Amino acid sequence: AQKITQTQPGMFVQEKEAVTLDCTYDTSDPSYGLFWYKQPSSGEMIFLIYQGSYDQQNATEGRYSLNFQKARKSANLVISASQLGDSAMYFCAMRESDTGNQFYFGTGTSLTVIP
Amino acid sequence: KAGVTQTPRYLIKTRGQQVTLSCSPISGHRSVSWYQQTPGQGLQFLFEYFSETQRNKGNFPGRFSGRQFSNSRSEMNVSTLELGDSALYLCASSSTGRGTTDTQYFGPGTRLTVL
Repeated sequence: AQKITQTQPGMFVQEKEAVTLDCTYDTSDPSYGLFWYKQPSSGEMIFLIYQGSYDQQNATEGRYSLNFQKARKSANLVISASQLGDSAMYFCAMRESDTGNQFYFGTGTSLTVIP
Repeated sequence: KAGVTQTPRYLIKTRGQQVTLSCSPISGHRSVSWYQQTPGQGLQFLFEYFSETQRNKGNFPGRFSGRQFSNSRSEMNVSTLELGDSALYLCASSSTGRGTTDTQYFGPGTRLTVL
């Protein structure tokens, strides 16, 4: 079974609008971390935001927030006030406490911001 | 603080050759992980090194190997290159590689083309 599922291969959003990128995960480990990365066409993976499984509140980092629904095993990324520079691939990743430093990545969502 | 650096950024090799990629982690980080990214397979974990020891390994053939030096710099080697090895190779560093909160920070990647 896939550890991380991203069901939206491509998304479009109007500049200045908000957009939600979906991510569901599968784990039986009670302790895990969820991460979102942005990958522009240049190739570098840029860390955006982190959510721990025991965190009571949704994580926020500037225009990025994470809609964490633990019972549904979902960790959706919300980007507010989209900018043209947000156009990129976005990857959801998970790390479990008992699998060392291996990150499991989803297949990514390509976001295009339309002016 | 300087980010993760990878050299070279681009490589073109022919089948049967071998190649060595280099990664310098963020200063103070002791864990280095390597990933292969292809359009077909997405991001796949290769291996992780910590304190000069391979601590975790993905499902790749023995042609893929790596090492880590005392200054935490890491190299990965691919011998007997195949066309399917053409990919973006990403290196990520983290502080300890332990716990669910230890974030991985990625380098710009090395784009390998095998002809």
